[in-house]
Amino acid sequence: DAGVIQSPRHEVTEMGQEVTLRCKPISGHDYLFWYRQTMMRGLELLIYFNNNVPIDDSGMPEDRFSAKMPNASFSTLKIQPSEPRDSAVYFCASSLGPRGYTFGSGTRLTVV
Amino acid sequence: KNEVEQSPQNLTAQEGEFITINCSYSVGISALHWLQQHPGGGIVSLFMLSSGKKKHGRLIATINIQEKHSSLHITASHPRDSAVYICAVNRGAQKLVFGQGTRLTINP
Repeated sequence: DAGVIQSPRHEVTEMGQEVTLRCKPISGHDYLFWYRQTMMRGLELLIYFNNNVPIDDSGMPEDRFSAKMPNASFSTLKIQPSEPRDSAVYFCASSLGPRGYTFGSGTRLTVV
Repeated sequence: KNEVEQSPQNLTAQEGEFITINCSYSVGISALHWLQQHPGGGIVSLFMLSSGKKKHGRLIATINIQEKHSSLHITASHPRDSAVYICAVNRGAQKLVFGQGTRLTINP
């Protein structure tokens, strides 16, 4: 298996632009998670899905952030409009039930 | 106070030394995870524990549920073990709460 695949690896965008991050989980995994990592706050859960349904989005910072999982093999995290404080590394992870997590390589987002 | 506290925050040791990283948590959990993040940024899951002890190669993880404490040990440490080690706990279902990480540097 290729693992959890995220794209792009790096994204640099101007403030106010829309940013879309993509994730392909491991086939057969029924949970998908989006995390954000910053120097100040460390790793934080943004949202997670179970069988494509959003279960907990309490970590989504504000209405500018949205996440979708239209099918079992694809999820997106969208920021519109982006702001410099959104600069961070965004990780996607998947798991099969309560077992261990597999993380993607992350997307490093820089908003200038 | 954070729900998950790690110590030390930074640790530098010589190759071959025995390493211990500690994690304490203040909430009820269903499982505890140890993660490794290398300088390149990728995160790897090392262990998932709900009781007792697990061993994988030179790495050993233990958990004491009553004391709300876990330790990660590395025997015969090597420079390639240099990374950030992160403790995380499952607070019900699948939601993870993370510690701030321990930056480990092993010098040759």
